Formats: sequence, structure tokens, C-alpha cells
Amino acid sequence: DGGITQSPKYLFRKEGQNVTLSCEQNLNHDAMYWYRQDPGQGLRLIYYSQIVNDFQKGDIAEGYSVSREKKESFPLTVTSAQKNPTAFYLCASSKWGNPGTGGTDTQYFGPGTRLTVL
Amino acid sequence: GESVGLHLPTLSVQEGDNSIINCAYSNSASDYFIWYKQESGKGPQFIIDIRSNMDKRQGQRVTVLLNKTVKHLSLQIAATQPGDSAVYFCAENMRGSARQLTFGSGTQLTVLP
Repeated sequence: DGGITQSPKYLFRKEGQNVTLSCEQNLNHDAMYWYRQDPGQGLRLIYYSQIVNDFQKGDIAEGYSVSREKKESFPLTVTSAQKNPTAFYLCASSKWGNPGTGGTDTQYFGPGTRLTVL
Repeated sequence: GESVGLHLPTLSVQEGDNSIINCAYSNSASDYFIWYKQESGKGPQFIIDIRSNMDKRQGQRVTVLLNKTVKHLSLQIAATQPGDSAVYFCAENMRGSARQLTFGSGTQLTVLP
């Protein structure tokens, strides 16, 4: 089946620890994204990547880091510098259009990882 | 600043009735819009999209209407079913933006028996 997978589904972290959330896609999409969702709120962009070995900060990148060594994978590390990391984290991917002619294509989301800091 | 917003945070409808979920956007440079459905504890699911050169687009039981004059987007769901209960988000993308989508806060749709 083609799609986006995220693991783990639930993650618990002690204060001061770094944790890494996995995101894999087999849709052959160029672009990948990480969002954070808090209860009753919309999605806020953490990081995005248009191509391998390149990524850009989103609106709330502080306390997070990413890598894009492979087209299929875009892991997110939540560092101890993130002061309020408890949230639902969503990964997405899309084809990448020419921004001058319309920007990105539709984003497709994974099932999410719920991170709780103990 | 530019934003995507929804008129109502919650909407309750009777099973079998039609649902209309609204979205206002303020960025006139936005040229691509998407509706997503998100069930509790799951990732958003693509429903339908529309580009700014269109006023209406239909899918299976869903229709999206775009009114660029008043910067308004709506999602119509025909014959609403219990499985339609979820949070619905609209999202926009700006022409020329190397970024991505900007999401609204969502509307909770509840289908009553």
C-alpha cells in the first residue's frame, strides 16, 4: 500500500530527553512536512523539506531539528530545548510544484504521533 | 496578518440533512484551497480541493464553493451520515509562495441521529 507512516503512535518522554519521531513515505513525493497540533487548534508548521538534504524552518521550529538524508524519510527530533513538547505531531508529504505557477500540490498526512512529556 | 479562519467552531446537523461548513480567508494572493477531514486521534484526510480559477467543484457527496469576491470558501456535504462527524479544516496556499499550506482552526461537525 502506498502512503505515509509515522511511528510510534504514542511516545512518552521525560523532561530533558531528546526524542525522535519517524516519518516514512512511499508515494515518491519530493516534499515533506512536520506539523504540531494542540487540542482544539489547527496545524502549525515546524519544518519542511522540498528535496533531499535541504529543509526550511516553519513557524515554530525552535526546540526541534530534522534531517532529510533520503527522499522517503523525514525524522523529527524534539529536543530538550522545546519547552512545551506535549502535542500531536503530524507528518505530511506532497509533490512539489513550481511556486511561480501555484506552489505546492495537495499534502497527504500520516496517522500522527502523540507525544507526552512526563 | 493573513489568516484562514472559520465562522463557526461547532456545527450540529441531523442525519440525512445537508451540512455547510464555511471558511473565510484574507489573503487575496491565495490561489489553491483544500478541505480536510480529521477524525479524533487521526491525521487529516484530504476531501476536495479547488483552484482560484474555479468557482465550484464537486466530489462524491461533497461540493466546494469559492467566492473570491468576498474571500469565502464553503464545503457542502449532502445527506450527512454519522461517519461524517469529525473536524473539518480548510487550508490555503498563496501564489508564488515557496511555503506550503496555512490551516484554519477547524469546525467540529456532529451528526445527530
